[in-house]
Amino acid sequence: AQTVTQSQPEMSVQEAETVTLSCTYDTSESDYYLFWYKQPPSRQMILVIRQEAYKQQNATENRFSVNFQKAAKSFSLKISDSQLGDAAMYFCAYSNAGGTSYGKLTFGQGTILTVHP
Amino acid sequence: AAGVIQSPRHLIKEKRETATLKCYPIPRHDTVYWYQQGPGQDPQFLISFYEKMQSDKGSIPDRFSAQQFSDYHSELNMSSLELGDSALYFCASSLVTGARAYEQYFGPGTRLTVT
Repeated sequence: AQTVTQSQPEMSVQEAETVTLSCTYDTSESDYYLFWYKQPPSRQMILVIRQEAYKQQNATENRFSVNFQKAAKSFSLKISDSQLGDAAMYFCAYSNAGGTSYGKLTFGQGTILTVHP
Repeated sequence: AAGVIQSPRHLIKEKRETATLKCYPIPRHDTVYWYQQGPGQDPQFLISFYEKMQSDKGSIPDRFSAQQFSDYHSELNMSSLELGDSALYFCASSLVTGARAYEQYFGPGTRLTVT
């Protein structure tokens, strides 16, 4: 079974600064996807970014980028130029691509991000 | 762009009652997933459907059942409700092929309270 671990229960950042959220995972699969989801106080789950395991290039989406280290099974999220609207719970998630149990998301415990003005 | 629709948004039931949650996936998405998120917890996978056939099952109680209909909407049926079933229930949908494969888009959730 796959596991996802987020070791930072809480993080804080000053507005306009950069923050990095950490995530590690464990799997014996070679083909999989990794995601970061944002859950603001509204509890809506919002997809932030996706990384395909077979791609060496790190994914980026505007101010959000990842550092994917496949050998180390590490997948961190960097938020640049932090904004007040970035304050939320952030979940790291894993899914197999194909094979058994493809698609279902396994989530980490979450990291609460606070943004200070 | 169209999003995942869930109804109702809030539901209050008493113990031992039955609840039915509905989900309308993004048009043309071929896979639907259900998740349960308890207070202060991460979402837990319950069940998924690919092209109207059950594709995977997680830690879903036997009291729960789900199906996907010919119009692709899905329903989660929960019977003999217990206090511990109080949670936020999410539906998500995705494609399994293409440039956006496996990107799951979540509905707003149904908040179920069992009293």
